[in-house]
Amino acid sequence: NAGVMQNPRHLVRRRGQEARLRCSPMKGHSHVYWYRQLPEEGLKFMVYLQKENIIDESGMPKERFSAEFPKEGPSILRIQQVVRGDSAAYFCASSPVRGAEAFFGQGTRLTVV
Amino acid sequence: ELKVEQNPLFLSMQEGKNYTIYCNYSTTSDRLYWYRQDPGKSLESLFVLLSNGAVKQEGRLMASLDTKARLSTLHITAAVHDLSATYFCAVDRADDKIIFGKGTRLHILP
Repeated sequence: NAGVMQNPRHLVRRRGQEARLRCSPMKGHSHVYWYRQLPEEGLKFMVYLQKENIIDESGMPKERFSAEFPKEGPSILRIQQVVRGDSAAYFCASSPVRGAEAFFGQGTRLTVV
Repeated sequence: ELKVEQNPLFLSMQEGKNYTIYCNYSTTSDRLYWYRQDPGKSLESLFVLLSNGAVKQEGRLMASLDTKARLSTLHITAAVHDLSATYFCAVDRADDKIIFGKGTRLHILP
């Protein structure tokens, strides 16, 4: 059973471009969490999704950021018109049901140049 | 709102010494996690503590949980250079997301 898979592992974007980060949860997991880690800081919650539903987006910036978890395929975190301040590591975690232990992926390191 | 505080945030220590990292959290939780993160790397799960009085040990690391005091400790015994990393405490509740502390950057001098 493969763990949580995130891709790409590293992503470089120029200012103003779009970044798409993908997260495939563990098999049988239908709950996905996204976290952002700025350099030298801890992980901050962004959004919690279940298949086709956003459960909690209290940590998402109001503009340029969106997330989805379609019925089929991975969860996508989309950042439009990236700025240098978006440079960070983005981690995804998944769990089988709400309230169960969550497992983290390897992260995607986004660099905006 | 659930908040997690770790201390110290920075710790430099000599090999062979013992030390403890503390994690306080503000409201009741269902699980407490300890993670290790090396620079530029992902999170490595060290321990998951579920109940009051829980104690888990792996090598030179031992974690404990006191739910009444809302306190967890990560104790390092006879530190070695390889344990240099950032250690995160995190907590969650069954109906909520995981909340992380700011991390403790541990530097062990050879």
